[in-house]
Amino acid sequence: EIVLTQSPGTLSLSPGERATLSCRASQNINYNFLAWYQQKPGQAPRVLIYGASSVATGIPDRFSGSGSGTDFTLTISRLESEDFAVYYCQQYGRSPYTFGQGTKLEIK
Amino acid sequence: QLQLVESGGGLVKPGGSLRLSCAASGSGFSFSYYYMTWIRQSPGKGLEWIASIDGDASHTEYADSVQGRFTISRDNAKNSLFLQMDSLSGEDTAVYFCARDSGRYCDGGGCYLSDWGQGTLVTVSS
Repeated sequence: EIVLTQSPGTLSLSPGERATLSCRASQNINYNFLAWYQQKPGQAPRVLIYGASSVATGIPDRFSGSGSGTDFTLTISRLESEDFAVYYCQQYGRSPYTFGQGTKLEIK
Repeated sequence: QLQLVESGGGLVKPGGSLRLSCAASGSGFSFSYYYMTWIRQSPGKGLEWIASIDGDASHTEYADSVQGRFTISRDNAKNSLFLQMDSLSGEDTAVYFCARDSGRYCDGGGCYLSDWGQGTLVTVSS
């Protein structure tokens, strides 16, 4: 099983700042099949990024993804109030399709 | 716009069974084309993929934690996905989400979760 470790666990930033979230895999992820999801309280997750760097439909261009192999990054260029949420990475290259434990992005 | 609505959650005793349903609707959406997946979320274990099924129900995949206890199925004529859960324990307490995979051919990987329902809560307790 591929274990995904996200860091930091909590990130405290102010609106307008840049956020950098990390996701590290215990093994290479096939074809960079790595997705990022955003989840707000009481809501389902929604996909932001797939294939490590492709932005999902309807997602603002301040969100971007990068990385390959075992190290991946989600960047939010300028934080807006609605971006404060929990973010999860998921690998979908090999079953079981595992998730990271999440990074909580909170307002400083 | 695709809408996924789960139902069937509730309180069940350890060792009991429950059947979850997920109704899919939306214009232009061909339910039978897509892989579908169940995911659960509990405070202790975060998000956990538990089962997936292909479009014509000929191929299923399960997480080890539910293999042999849970059964995923679908009724394409009714645009519905199901999860039969047997031999439930406290470890199965979670919010259960259904999700549409991003593609048709997802055997062994390659598809992310493009749309999610709002989830249904399952509580296993005596």
